[in-house]
Amino acid sequence: EAGVAQSPRYKIIEKRQSVAFWCNPISGHATLYWYQQILGQGPKLLIQFQNNGVVDDSQLPKDRFSAERLKGVDSTLKIQPAKLEDSAVYLCASIPTSGGADTQYFGPGTRLTVL
Amino acid sequence: AQSVTQLGSHVSVSEGALVLLRCNYSSSVPPYLFWYVQYPNQGLQLLLKYTSAATLVKGINGFEAEFKKSETSFHLTKPSAHMSDAAEYFCAVSRLTGANNLFFGTGTRLTVIP
Repeated sequence: EAGVAQSPRYKIIEKRQSVAFWCNPISGHATLYWYQQILGQGPKLLIQFQNNGVVDDSQLPKDRFSAERLKGVDSTLKIQPAKLEDSAVYLCASIPTSGGADTQYFGPGTRLTVL
Repeated sequence: AQSVTQLGSHVSVSEGALVLLRCNYSSSVPPYLFWYVQYPNQGLQLLLKYTSAATLVKGINGFEAEFKKSETSFHLTKPSAHMSDAAEYFCAVSRLTGANNLFFGTGTRLTVIP
């Protein structure tokens, strides 16, 4: 089966610009996650969707970050305006249901550089 | 609250030597525990996971980990390192119920010396 797809793979922008990332999870996976991985750190959850509803967005900087999963399939993460500290790899992951034991399947990530 | 601590941000071993990557967890209830591997410019791939069945868990590529509740540890081992094992390794813990996102450690970069 096809894995989690993400685009673009790389993005370079200047601070205060806007950027959007796209994720297409594995077909049939109800739960989708966005993680931020800063260089030298482990991934940190930004937002979790189950179908098209938000389960957890407590770590999402809502003044500049937004995410949606309108039809319960693919998802978009947006940053507006970007700051230097947003430079990171943004990872998307999905699981079939919502169980804590489920393996999360990760996409290759989008590497964002903010200049 | 769940969290994990990975001791040693960098580990170097010789090819053929034992690999030991350390992970200690903090959780108010027995957790689910995971080890993921990340190769350069790639996403994370599951190596193995503990879900309260057998305490010794075998994963892919010859890796295994043992859940020790008394030591709150979940260390990753491999008897004989291969050059292809060079990567970043992350330990993670998940909640049993509710929002089941993963809490990751800071990672350990494994270097294999020929």
